[in-house]
Amino acid sequence: GAVVSQHPSRVICKSGTSVKIECRSLDFQATTMFWYRQFPKQSLMLMATSNEGSKATYEQGVEKDKFLINHASLTLSTLTVTSAHPEDSSFYICSATEGQGNSPLHFGNGTRLTVT
Amino acid sequence: QKEVEQDPGPLSVPEGAIVSLNCTYSNSAFQYFMWYRQYSRKGPELLMYTYSSGNKEDGRFTAQVDKSSKYISLFIRDSQPSDSATYLCAIRRYNQGGKLIFGQGTELSVKP
Repeated sequence: GAVVSQHPSRVICKSGTSVKIECRSLDFQATTMFWYRQFPKQSLMLMATSNEGSKATYEQGVEKDKFLINHASLTLSTLTVTSAHPEDSSFYICSATEGQGNSPLHFGNGTRLTVT
Repeated sequence: QKEVEQDPGPLSVPEGAIVSLNCTYSNSAFQYFMWYRQYSRKGPELLMYTYSSGNKEDGRFTAQVDKSSKYISLFIRDSQPSDSATYLCAIRRYNQGGKLIFGQGTELSVKP
């Protein structure tokens, strides 16, 4: 099946610094990737849609200047959490579809961000 | 009212039991239904994907969709301790790409 790789799996940073998370589709090309966020014991919430070659589309309530998304190629999307604060501590998960339209979504293994 | 409701559990069963996990949704516009399994500190793993009413079987897993009742289920036969995880239902409208609406997740524990 489709494989989505995410790196790093865990990161600890100090308040005020920026953190970059990478998401790669390993065996398929993904013109669109998606970034989700998950708080402990809660479900996943879509943050933004990452489009190759164009600007990301953010969900309501998500600060685009804090969560910078770059989709540099058909296999790589990055999420940068800028000027991180403790409330940004969360589990960030990227995902992609193998095909177009209504294909199922495959997820990476997530990145646990802790901001101290 | 939430768009999709799922009992968070936790649910504890003995090894070998049949497990039934359920979700209800509120809007008939949702046409695609998925079940994901998530182990602790890992990303969700796709188990089942369907878009029609009825049953879909894959090994020990059966997904059931009843669009008239807006009710979806996942059955796990001969449950194993390795099935212990959180199970998330997810729904999507037509052509919504990655915009999945997730249930809260049901935490399942299968005891040896």
